[in-house]
Amino acid sequence: EDQVTQSPEALRLQEGESSSLNCSYTVSGLRGLFWYRQDPGKGPEFLFTLYSAGEEKEKERLKATLTKKESFLHITAPKPEDSATYLCAGDGSSNTGKLIFGQGTTLQVKP
Amino acid sequence: EAGVAQSPRYKIIEKRQSVAFWCNPISGHATLYWYQQILGQGPKLLIQFQNNGVVDDSQLPKDRFSAERLKGVDSTLKIQPAKLEDSAVYLCASSISPGLQETQYFGPGTRLLVL
Repeated sequence: EDQVTQSPEALRLQEGESSSLNCSYTVSGLRGLFWYRQDPGKGPEFLFTLYSAGEEKEKERLKATLTKKESFLHITAPKPEDSATYLCAGDGSSNTGKLIFGQGTTLQVKP
Repeated sequence: EAGVAQSPRYKIIEKRQSVAFWCNPISGHATLYWYQQILGQGPKLLIQFQNNGVVDDSQLPKDRFSAERLKGVDSTLKIQPAKLEDSAVYLCASSISPGLQETQYFGPGTRLLVL
């Protein structure tokens, strides 16, 4: 069964304290690994798509990387406005664009 | 560019009542998705439309949930009758096409509480 697991479930950081979020997947025929950000009371907002092992993408203080079994979202010198739930999702072999989401990591950055 | 619109934003109903949610995707987006997000979990796909045809409804509880996209634009998701476990956020998303290269854009969601 296709599955996406994120860890930790919750993470508290001080402003400026860098860290990483983990996304492990067992999605057959993975064609893409997606990262979304979700603020309270809002829908997920697209961040990155990674297609192959070794690929990296960056946006401001965020960098996403992909291996054959997991993806990491690195947050460098976070600010309070980075506080949100970060979701990863896999697009498998269904060829329909169906995304399988993990449960998310809720990040809180304290000033 | 206007985003995905959903209404209502909040709904409280008694169990066994019926409820309907509406979604208007981004203009020109042929693919529309309905997801269910239970508190503390990631979104789970309920149904996917390509224009007005169903692509995937394998996880839609068809005994109580129904959805339609009659003119290939707006969509309605209905629950009848509602159960306590249907309390969740119902997210609508759209993309230009169902391909891997196309990003899914999400609406703000409808928060449903079943009492």
